[in-house]
Amino acid sequence: SQTIHQWPATLVQPVGSPLSLECTVEGTSNPNLYWYRQAAGRGLQLLFYSVGIGQISSEVPQNLSASRPQDRQFILSSKKLLLSDSGFYLCAWSVFWQGAGELFFGEGSRLTVL
Amino acid sequence: SQQGEEDPQALSIQEGENATMNCSYKTSINNLQWYRQNSGRGLVHLILIRSNEREKHSGRLRVTLDTSKKSSSLLITASRAADTASYFCGINAGGTSYGKLTFGQGTILTVHP
Repeated sequence: SQTIHQWPATLVQPVGSPLSLECTVEGTSNPNLYWYRQAAGRGLQLLFYSVGIGQISSEVPQNLSASRPQDRQFILSSKKLLLSDSGFYLCAWSVFWQGAGELFFGEGSRLTVL
Repeated sequence: SQQGEEDPQALSIQEGENATMNCSYKTSINNLQWYRQNSGRGLVHLILIRSNEREKHSGRLRVTLDTSKKSSSLLITASRAADTASYFCGINAGGTSYGKLTFGQGTILTVHP
């Protein structure tokens, strides 16, 4: 069966510090991968998606970047965190087939920037 | 952007009652999906409905899609306290969307025992 792992689960970082959130998927090959951010009490905002190794599409200009060094690994990074980067970050995967595909989400990483 | 907008923002009901949540969107879609999120957790997929479908059922869940009105509804029948969660509709636009979904703000459902 397929599983998705995200870590760390919780992170408290000072403004200006770097960030690395990691997501790995097991039990599937060549998935589409996604990073979403959810601000407190708000909906989900798509940040990045990837359809293959090294292929990253950014949805929203921001202080963050993403990389996909391996087929089932997706990393969200920042060189210098801002207060506005605080939020709940969710990684998801899907296999898009015949015009449809559900997303499978990880348990999220809660980031607080102080 | 092709973002779904859920309505109402919050819904409070008693156990055993039905809960109806609505989702509206602006342009053409490939499919629409409903998700549930328990507090502090990831989203869990409930139902996917394609643009050429009008209604789908899964257990106590019923989803309708009206592409002429660009809207969808999620009905939870005979609600339980365990149904308390936030519910989101995800819009998959057509074309080269690569399966990505855009979500609205969600509906917070509270079911009182």
